[in-house]
This record gives sequence, structure tokens and C-alpha cells, in this order.
Amino acid sequence: AQSVTQLDSQVPVFEEAPVELRCNYSSSVSVYLFWYVQYPNQGLQLLLKYLSGSTLVKGINGFEAEFNKSQTSFHLRKPSVHISDTAEYFCAVRKRGDYKLSFGAGTTVTVRA
Amino acid sequence: DTGVSQNPRHKITKRGQNVTFRCDPISEHNRLYWYRQTLGQGPEFLTYFQNEAQLEKSRLLSDRFSAERPKGSFSTLEIQRTEQGDSAMYLCASSLISGGAEDTQYFGPGTRLTVL
Repeated sequence: AQSVTQLDSQVPVFEEAPVELRCNYSSSVSVYLFWYVQYPNQGLQLLLKYLSGSTLVKGINGFEAEFNKSQTSFHLRKPSVHISDTAEYFCAVRKRGDYKLSFGAGTTVTVRA
Repeated sequence: DTGVSQNPRHKITKRGQNVTFRCDPISEHNRLYWYRQTLGQGPEFLTYFQNEAQLEKSRLLSDRFSAERPKGSFSTLEIQRTEQGDSAMYLCASSLISGGAEDTQYFGPGTRLTVL
């Protein structure tokens, strides 16, 4: 079975500052990796995904993530955040050949002016 | 493409009552998933369908839970004899599998259940 650990439960950050959200996973087989964002009272929206190829993945809203196989990590970054980035962010993995997602507990990002 | 829709968005019920939620996936998506999200946690997988066939049920899905997807389009999730521990957000997702590795799940807005 795979598991996902999001190392920070809450990340406060000032507007226009950079942010990094950390995600580590454990799995005995190869996985696909995802980051989703959840705005208050809404469902999950896909930010970006890593399936194969380049380890640096660019997503929507200026976010990017880097897959590091040796460290089994998939950290999410944004160089300059906006107030509208205030949300909860979930890292998820899916075992290759499987269908269900396993999620981390989430990281709440609060952007302050 | 109208996205995944779920109804109702909110449901308050008394312990012991039955509730039913509906999910309409993105049209032509052949896979449909149900997840449950409790406060402060990430979503947890409950069950999934490929077309009308229910292919897996999580151990989280007790006998009081039943899900259907009768015509391979919309799905319903019913909880019988609700308990306070059933209070959660119930999320539906759909995806299109067409033989390749690509199988991105798109989520609906969820149904928030409160059991009093």
C-alpha cells in the first residue's frame, strides 16, 4: 500500500512571497503523483500531475512541482502567491495500474496582505 | 463540459434516518468514484464503478452503505440508519479510461452530510 505525508499542516505566507508545500510518499511500486487544491466549500481541482518524463511539472495558476525519486518527494512551489491562493492543498498518489487515489492530510495555505 | 455535479450540496439528518446522494459525472466518462472526507483529513476512497459495474468497495464502506450506477451514467450513494460518525463530505469524481495510462480524476463539489 502507498501512503502520503504532507509535512506541514498550515503554511502562513505574505502576498507576493514564495511558498513551498512538502509532500513525501512511500510505495513499493511506481506511482503517479498529483496536487489538488480545494477552495472553501468546493470540490478538489487538479493543479498538476506527474505521470512520466521531465521531473519538473508545471501546472495551473503558476504552480510547479518537482518529482524526486530518490527522496520519494513531490514538493509544490509557487514563486509569488496571491490572496486568491488561500486554500487547502492535497498531495495524492496513484499506484501504476491502479485507479484509486491516496491523499495526504492536506496543507492549509493562508495568504496575508 | 459542465463538470461533475452532486446533489444535494448539504444534507442535515437525524441519526437513524436514511439518506441518498446523487452524482452526475462528466458526460462520456466511464469511471466514477466515491470518496469521503472528514474534517482536517484528505479524501478516502470508498468505491468505484467502471460503466455500471462496481469493481471495488473499500473496507470503510460498511453494510449500511450502498452505491449504484444503473445505466453507467449517474450514480447514487445511500446510507441507511445514519450514525453521527457518518458526518463528512462525500465527494464524487469521474475519469475517462481509454487504454492508456492517462486517468485523471475530476471532482465534484461534494455533499456535506451532518448527522444530528
